[in-house]
Amino acid sequence: GQQLNQSPQSMFIQEGEDVSMNCTSSSIFNTWLWYKQDPGEGPVLLIALYKAGELTSNGRLTAQFGITRKDSFLNISASIPSDVGIYFCAGDYTSGTYKYIFGTGTRLKVLA
Amino acid sequence: DSGVTQTPKHLITATGQRVTLRCSPRSGDLSVYWYQQSLDQGLQFLIQYYNGEERAKGNILERFSAQQFPDLHSELNLSSLELGDSALYFCASTWTNTGELFFGEGSRLTVL
Repeated sequence: GQQLNQSPQSMFIQEGEDVSMNCTSSSIFNTWLWYKQDPGEGPVLLIALYKAGELTSNGRLTAQFGITRKDSFLNISASIPSDVGIYFCAGDYTSGTYKYIFGTGTRLKVLA
Repeated sequence: DSGVTQTPKHLITATGQRVTLRCSPRSGDLSVYWYQQSLDQGLQFLIQYYNGEERAKGNILERFSAQQFPDLHSELNLSSLELGDSALYFCASTWTNTGELFFGEGSRLTVL
């Protein structure tokens, strides 16, 4: 099925470091969602973005809706061990019917 | 707790059998989505319903079917099961106004 290009695929970082990941596509999206998934559990919505250029924060997490509407970025500042998990982006390419394509995921491991 | 309820949480069955997974969306959400996630893979979109009507179809096999009932709960039926059908199956729901997609905790299907 269709998936967004998400990078990096995985990363190991030291506790306290900042993390950046992104999703890119050749298609234009109208909504971007960012999720965190712990093993064996359902994805949990972190941030929703609705307008090109929008920058939204949720605690130590900040996400941006790319100005071209073809990409989105998620930053995690001062990472902690509980940030470990898989982060997914999802983009809606429709106008109001919310059909989402998911990124391939970024697996984050934090070294204490 | 996302408010999306899925049952059963775990299911073990044999090849050739049929199972039904159930989902209750968040109160007030009209759209229900089904996703399949195989081991260490991304989320594959199967099907979307809106207020009882099928709205979009993804990579759903002909052996799989779904429906959304008048009370908005949904069921995913998987028949003639194969080993490769073993996966986590997630239901998600959205409120029409925001498009934020909330996931349930999933049903883990193991086909032996």
